[in-house]
Amino acid sequence: DVKVTQSSRYLVKRTGEKVFLECVQDMDHENMFWYRQDPGLGLRLIYFSYDVKMKEKGDIPEGYSVSREKKERFSLILESASTNQTSMYLCASMRPGQGNIQYFGAGTRLSVL
Amino acid sequence: AQSVTQPDIHITVSEGASLELRCNYSYGATPYLFWYVQSPGQGLQLLLKYFSGDTLVQGIKGFEAEFKRSQSSFNLRKPSVHWSDAAEYFCAVGGNTDKLIFGTGTRLQVFP
Repeated sequence: DVKVTQSSRYLVKRTGEKVFLECVQDMDHENMFWYRQDPGLGLRLIYFSYDVKMKEKGDIPEGYSVSREKKERFSLILESASTNQTSMYLCASMRPGQGNIQYFGAGTRLSVL
Repeated sequence: AQSVTQPDIHITVSEGASLELRCNYSYGATPYLFWYVQSPGQGLQLLLKYFSGDTLVQGIKGFEAEFKRSQSSFNLRKPSVHWSDAAEYFCAVGGNTDKLIFGTGTRLQVFP
């Protein structure tokens, strides 16, 4: 079974803090994704990475950056957290050419106070 | 534009009743279609997928979905709902890129 692990289930941060959300997958997948989930808006893609050190902006990249130094790890960075970044963050991984099946972590619920 | 529409935000059914969750999509290429389920506080789990072939696909937990190209639909069904099916359900479409487009979700509530 594919395992995607997000390092924190819940995080509480203060406005202006730098926040790191970590995601690790154990299936050697090339592609990894960060989504934000808000009620009534579904999942919105923040960034995705198709290889080590490669990244592409998604639909809502503003206020976020990412890092992929190793194939198994994909980090989402909030440079200066703001209250409107309070949300559920989901990481996913996928092997290209196998039908777009994405495997998800359990999510990190971030509160910015 | 590529999009997925789940017209029902919230559905309530009695345990044992049948269920149909609606999904319509707009996609410029041959679609791959998915249904995911999210239990409270959890990530998304794949219920079923359609790539090609038989338009009626079976998934886990007794769910099935039917692809209707003429209606651009991929509705999810279950003949008899269990209380443990209470969750949020997401339809998604992909195919010509590595990305998926998700609907806004349908929250299912099950009454005993």
